[in-house]
Amino acid sequence: DTGVSQNPRHKITKRGQNVTFRCDPISEHNRLYWYRQTLGQGPEFLTYFQNEAQLEKSRLLSDRFSAERPKGSFSTLEIQRTEQGDSAMYLCASSPPGGTAISPLHFGNGTRLTVT
Amino acid sequence: AQSVTQPDIHITVSEGASLELRCNYSYGATPYLFWYVQSPGQGLQLLLKYFSGDTLVQGIKGFEAEFKRSQSSFNLRKPSVHWSDAAEYFCAVGARAAGNKLTFGGGTRVLVKP
Repeated sequence: DTGVSQNPRHKITKRGQNVTFRCDPISEHNRLYWYRQTLGQGPEFLTYFQNEAQLEKSRLLSDRFSAERPKGSFSTLEIQRTEQGDSAMYLCASSPPGGTAISPLHFGNGTRLTVT
Repeated sequence: AQSVTQPDIHITVSEGASLELRCNYSYGATPYLFWYVQSPGQGLQLLLKYFSGDTLVQGIKGFEAEFKRSQSSFNLRKPSVHWSDAAEYFCAVGARAAGNKLTFGGGTRVLVKP
């Protein structure tokens, strides 16, 4: 178990630029989640995938945000035309196939985005 | 929809003293409940989880939590706090019907005094 890997760890960008983050889940995990966490708050759900299918998107995910998970492995989260309000920690998590109960999420260390 | 409330934003405790963090949830069916811990600049680490059965669950690092359905609570406890327990703690509720996604509370920051 090598854990969930996120890159980059930090990203500083100017307002209006596009940014892309990558998440590599634990290899046998078929579910992948993106969360956003602002300072002093709990993580807020953005979207999740089961294999390559994006099954749910939060209303927090404006049309400037897009996530993909080609081939059901790694995932990318792109933010277009960044705004200062996008500054946050973006967390990725994965979980294995569920059985009769739900599986805990395994989180990466996040990508901290600062928009100047 | 599920929701979680952590009433205490900050708690300061002396090293060696006991700790209790409060969590109240709202969910119509049987909840799946979790506690996670987050150190500065890091991701979240699972401390413990409750799915069913015994309402007192044990976790890592000497933590335990008790599920009380009548109070819609899932409070986290540790009998004797160590300086390394200083961190932010998040309670979360999940549901299979919601694709296993978790809804988190706002967190409680724990400071440990020597």
